[in-house]
Amino acid sequence: DAGITQSPRHKVTETGTPVTLRCHQTENHRYMYWYRQDPGHGLRLIHYSYGVKDTDKGEVSDGYSVSRSKTEDFLLTLESATSSQTSVYFCAISEPSLAGVSEQYFGPGTRLTVT
Amino acid sequence: DQQVKQNSPSLSVQEGRISILNCDYTNSMFDYFLWYKKYPAEGPTFLISISSIKDKNEDGRFTVFLNKSAKHLSLHIVPSQPGDSAVYFCAASKVTGNQFYFGTGTSLTVIP
Repeated sequence: DAGITQSPRHKVTETGTPVTLRCHQTENHRYMYWYRQDPGHGLRLIHYSYGVKDTDKGEVSDGYSVSRSKTEDFLLTLESATSSQTSVYFCAISEPSLAGVSEQYFGPGTRLTVT
Repeated sequence: DQQVKQNSPSLSVQEGRISILNCDYTNSMFDYFLWYKKYPAEGPTFLISISSIKDKNEDGRFTVFLNKSAKHLSLHIVPSQPGDSAVYFCAASKVTGNQFYFGTGTSLTVIP
């Protein structure tokens, strides 16, 4: 299994509080991604990173920010959590091949509940 | 707007029979496709991929078929085993792109 850990694995927080989720990899992969999984929506991309300090938005980026100061760590921050951000969050990594994009490997997920 | 669609939320199959999971996409620029399997409380795990230069890719019991003209792909599992019971996601991307777009998933139950 790819070396990807996420912390915390579970979190309950109150509306309006800031929350930071951490993804850590030991594979030295260049790309890192944050997804959320919700019933009826599958996996939706929040933000991704293609290198240290290089990030871009995904399809559901509103209300989220990210940072990547080291190859191995990718942080997802909810500046002011809302109940609509209750979800399961997955981090993924990939290393593009010479041909281009390649498969992603996922972490175990973080279940976030905003009350 | 959902660019990758899995229209069957669930599927039940007898052990030993074939499971066929379907996926449709709308963006004709997609040229790289993957299937993932997900057990409860775990992250998705990569199963098999196919690029648009092929129409079939096989890996053991798993075969993915791609019909570019219909913008349709399918995953065949033969023979199905109880351990295959999971949620299956298809995903699509451009080979030169950075993002994958996922379907909503199909929950497969293999009945012993």
